[in-house]
Amino acid sequence: EPEVTQTPSHQVTQMGQEVILRCVPISNHLYFYWYRQILGQKVEFLVSFYNNEISEKSEIFDDQFSVERPDGSNFTLKIRSTKLEDSAMYFCASSGVAPNEQFFGPGTRLTVL
Amino acid sequence: RKEVEQDPGPFNVPEGATVAFNCTYSNSASQSFFWYRQDCRKEPKLLMSVYSSGNEDGRFTAQLNRASQYISLLIRDSKLSDSATYLCAVDTSGTYKYIFGTGTRLKVLA
Repeated sequence: EPEVTQTPSHQVTQMGQEVILRCVPISNHLYFYWYRQILGQKVEFLVSFYNNEISEKSEIFDDQFSVERPDGSNFTLKIRSTKLEDSAMYFCASSGVAPNEQFFGPGTRLTVL
Repeated sequence: RKEVEQDPGPFNVPEGATVAFNCTYSNSASQSFFWYRQDCRKEPKLLMSVYSSGNEDGRFTAQLNRASQYISLLIRDSKLSDSATYLCAVDTSGTYKYIFGTGTRLKVLA
């Protein structure tokens, strides 16, 4: 069964450093998303991406965040200057023919020290 | 009122029991509704979409009540493996941006 994959599974970084989280969505999917979940809290929407542009973004997704689809398979989330409060699990998701049904990757646990 | 609300639980039930969770949403224009299952420190896994007419998948039944603005998930004949957190997700704007509830934790006891 096709699935969303994410790398790395765990990223530790120093405050102020840039990180790039990588995702490979399900191959025939067209809609891509990033969500985050701070430990013990709910899953929060960050951004959606379709047709090589951002469709919608939340208030969390400020100028420090960017997304890119650099090639036909990868979808990345960049945080330019990480803050302590960026520590969370970051989930990539994708959806396809039924665009509403989003399938999540296993997540990248980001720890900012 | 929060956009999407769930009782956090935990719901502790014996094996074989029937258990139901509700999830309320505040935006009456919400378009689509989903139930996800999340195991500890894992990703949400899509359990089922919730259709206006209700839908069933094996031991799981989902219902939508637009008048009272809630969705429900019924689990029959609970198994130990059903122990998890159940998240509801609502597309409130029709833009595929999901708003998640905080989740309801279920523990099925032997």
